[in-house]
Amino acid sequence: GAGVSQSPRYKVAKRGQDVALRCDPISGHVSLFWYQQALGQGPEFLTYFQNEAQLDKSGLPSDRFFAERPEGSVSTLKIQRTQQEDSAVYLCASSLASVTNPRELFFGEGSRLTVL
Amino acid sequence: DQQVKQNSPSLSVQEGRISILNCDYTNSMFDYFLWYKKYPAEGPTFLISISSIKDKNEDGRFTVFLNKSAKHLSLHIVPSQPGDSAVYFCAARSWRDDKIIFGKGTRLHILP
Repeated sequence: GAGVSQSPRYKVAKRGQDVALRCDPISGHVSLFWYQQALGQGPEFLTYFQNEAQLDKSGLPSDRFFAERPEGSVSTLKIQRTQQEDSAVYLCASSLASVTNPRELFFGEGSRLTVL
Repeated sequence: DQQVKQNSPSLSVQEGRISILNCDYTNSMFDYFLWYKKYPAEGPTFLISISSIKDKNEDGRFTVFLNKSAKHLSLHIVPSQPGDSAVYFCAARSWRDDKIIFGKGTRLHILP
């Protein structure tokens, strides 16, 4: 596609429910990042993939959060047993270069998760 | 510990005047600084960047200044236009781990 695509755009979950958020990066982009943006805050780094390898997951807030990119293209961010504090916009970004050129980081529109 | 700080949550500027958005950082390992612009319900889009080896980068109406000794950078927009109304994020990359760290953002309102 022309840009980074994320789905669903909006998700409402009951506390304790599992959710899965999908990111389709720009075709051919090697690097993929997940960020969490809470209301009134800047994007907070969650995890980073280079192709299918998860090189950095230091930003994942707990073991309830899990991300994968099994074929080096589409990525899924899974949140188990959701809590209210997980409510945020989850942003995915991709980059062509294997050594990230920050100038080339393209963001999707985000998936807004609301946990009731 | 916030490594990239934008201390002004919002800023209002008259159309045609200069907008100055400020950003401070604490990590000496940052080697690249960026500004992103975000409209509601959209993802951030890249605006302008500067390498740590430079002190100024200009692109049309946008100029970014870097003061390494003060660990401070600023984005100047001149002249300001209505379409510039958005949230602006300052961001920085560490050469050590390649992560891009964002500030909390400044909401810019351009007044008619």
